[in-house]
Amino acid sequence: KAGVTQTPRYLIKTRGQQVTLSCSPISGHRSVSWYQQTPGQGLQFLFEYFSETQRNKGNFPGRFSGRQFSNSRSEMNVSTLELGDSALYLCASSLDRGAGGYTFGSGTRLTVV
Amino acid sequence: DAKTTQPNSMESNEEEPVHLPCNHSTISGTDYIHWYRQLPSQGPEYVIHGLTSNVNNRMASLAIAEDRKSSTLILHRATLRDAAVYYCILLSSGSARQLTFGSGTQLTVLP
Repeated sequence: KAGVTQTPRYLIKTRGQQVTLSCSPISGHRSVSWYQQTPGQGLQFLFEYFSETQRNKGNFPGRFSGRQFSNSRSEMNVSTLELGDSALYLCASSLDRGAGGYTFGSGTRLTVV
Repeated sequence: DAKTTQPNSMESNEEEPVHLPCNHSTISGTDYIHWYRQLPSQGPEYVIHGLTSNVNNRMASLAIAEDRKSSTLILHRATLRDAAVYYCILLSSGSARQLTFGSGTQLTVLP
């Protein structure tokens, strides 16, 4: 079966712009989580959506937001981009909110210039 | 979130068993012990998880101490493809679930 699909794979944006990243979970998975990975901070949790509702949120500013659609696909948006937002953004899906494990996508590499 | 402690790095020879330790002395009774690994340029990959009993799957075995304050991930025969960063994570069964990644253990497999 298809894995977790993230698009686009690479993105270059200018400081001050906004960006939208997309994640398609494994078919049947209703939980989608987002993580940011940087060399300095490692992997950090952004937020989790389950059945179109945000269930948990990490310690990130309000510029980072997300949503989940009825087909479980999820998007995250970052507004007013800063240089420090350059990172690998990873999406993970789960059947049961992680109890049985999460499946991660390959990520979107965002570079802010 | 309850924290875990892992060695920064470990080395193993190819085709030998590898035991990756993890300490989690503040684990609560409802925390699951999860292991993920991350190969270079890839997202993390689920390896195994358990609650109280030892667990086996096609990738690895998980040995959990009786007091649950520590666990060990066992790769029975390391291959070069097992070289990765291994993360030991406690996942709460409560409503606010998230994977809190530490710095993990960088496993090097020597040919």
